Amino acid sequence: DGGITQSPKYLFRKEGQNVTLSCEQNLNHDAMYWYRQDPGQGLRLIYYSQIVNDFQKGDIAEGYSVSREKKESFPLTVTSAQKNPTAFYLCASSPGTGPYEQYFGPGTRLTVT
Amino acid sequence: GENVEQHPSTLSVQEGDSAVIKCTYSDSASNYFPWYKQELGKRPQLIIDIRSNVGEKKDQRIAVTLNKTAKHFSLHITETQPEDSAVYFCAARTNNDYKLSFGAGTTVTVRA
Repeated sequence: DGGITQSPKYLFRKEGQNVTLSCEQNLNHDAMYWYRQDPGQGLRLIYYSQIVNDFQKGDIAEGYSVSREKKESFPLTVTSAQKNPTAFYLCASSPGTGPYEQYFGPGTRLTVT
Repeated sequence: GENVEQHPSTLSVQEGDSAVIKCTYSDSASNYFPWYKQELGKRPQLIIDIRSNVGEKKDQRIAVTLNKTAKHFSLHITETQPEDSAVYFCAARTNNDYKLSFGAGTTVTVRA
């Protein structure tokens, strides 16, 4: 299961607190992604980054922020502005554009009470 | 942008029977079509993919077909087994796009 890692596996926070989810990859991939998955639902894109120091909003970016200071790392901050933050968060990476596989990390299950 | 629709949303099959999941896409420039399998609580994992210069691809009990004219592609699982029970996602991407557009997923249940 090497290649792309996320930590922690489970995370619990109180409402009103910001929380940062970690994502690291050693695949030398240019592109990285964050998805949110709610129970029984599909994958919704939060943010993605094509290259270091650059990132774009996905379909549901409100209440989230990201940074891409290193090629290997793409942390996601869930802010207090996110109305329903409890979800399963998946990080992914790919070599870039073109017909390449997107590899997923093991996910972080965030519970906010 | 690309829009991918996936049907059915749930599929129940008897062990040993075949399962077929269909996806349609909107952008004729899409040229990469992966299929992911996600078991409960786990990460999605690629099970097979097809590129637009190929009409069909097989890997043991799994096959994918692509009809570029009709803009649809399908996943076929033959001789289904209980371990095939999972959620399956189709996706599509154009050559110049960093993003994969995912279908909504199909929950497959294989009855013993």
